[in-house]
Amino acid sequence: QVTLRESGPALVKPTQTLKLTCTFSGFSLTTSGMCVSWIRQPPGKALEWLARIDWDDDKYYSTSLKTRLSISRDTSKNQVVLTMTHMDPVDTGTYYCARTNSADYFGAFHIWGQGTMVTVSP
Amino acid sequence: QSVLTQPPAVSGAPGQRVTISCTGSSSNIGAGYDVHWYQQLPGTAPKLLIYGNSNRPSGVPDRFSGSKSGTSASLAITGLQAEDEADYYCQSYDSSLEVFGGGTKLTVL
Repeated sequence: QVTLRESGPALVKPTQTLKLTCTFSGFSLTTSGMCVSWIRQPPGKALEWLARIDWDDDKYYSTSLKTRLSISRDTSKNQVVLTMTHMDPVDTGTYYCARTNSADYFGAFHIWGQGTMVTVSP
Repeated sequence: QSVLTQPPAVSGAPGQRVTISCTGSSSNIGAGYDVHWYQQLPGTAPKLLIYGNSNRPSGVPDRFSGSKSGTSASLAITGLQAEDEADYYCQSYDSSLEVFGGGTKLTVL
């Protein structure tokens, strides 16, 4: 069974750096075609894709946020870490990690974590 | 402003058919990229509803169907039920990066 779980601080102050961890099970991120993305959703607003890390350690970032984002993985711990610098109240929202597999479901986000709420406030 | 444009809201009575459009451009849907659809119930993570333009994952009722043509895609829901009331998002790729639509709130009257 494939599962993903997000963890990180519920509250960060403006200008601080956010570090979120996605801990997964049921698959290996080194298996060809496997990818893990981060997606966020401000309260009452739409989903926004942030970043992706692939099985071969290639990394991709949202064009609008790439200067603030960094994604990495620890394959021994089955974890993917997202850091976002210079946090602002507009970054408040629920942050999800989700898995895609290019060999399955045409690369759609088939498995999602439950999300973690992050509030940016002084 | 989302790269993919969806109507903010649609509504329909139980038993009716509704459609949700997802309009893109030549750099995303029109470039041949697949479109996927997600259903998000209040307070929950999105759930994959349609993948690869028109395919349903196991367990998704056949009341849900998807199509794609040119620079647009559509999600159709027939035999509307109260439990279908949710937010719906389309997703595709733009210059090989994932992009989402702005979401559509479906209200069952």
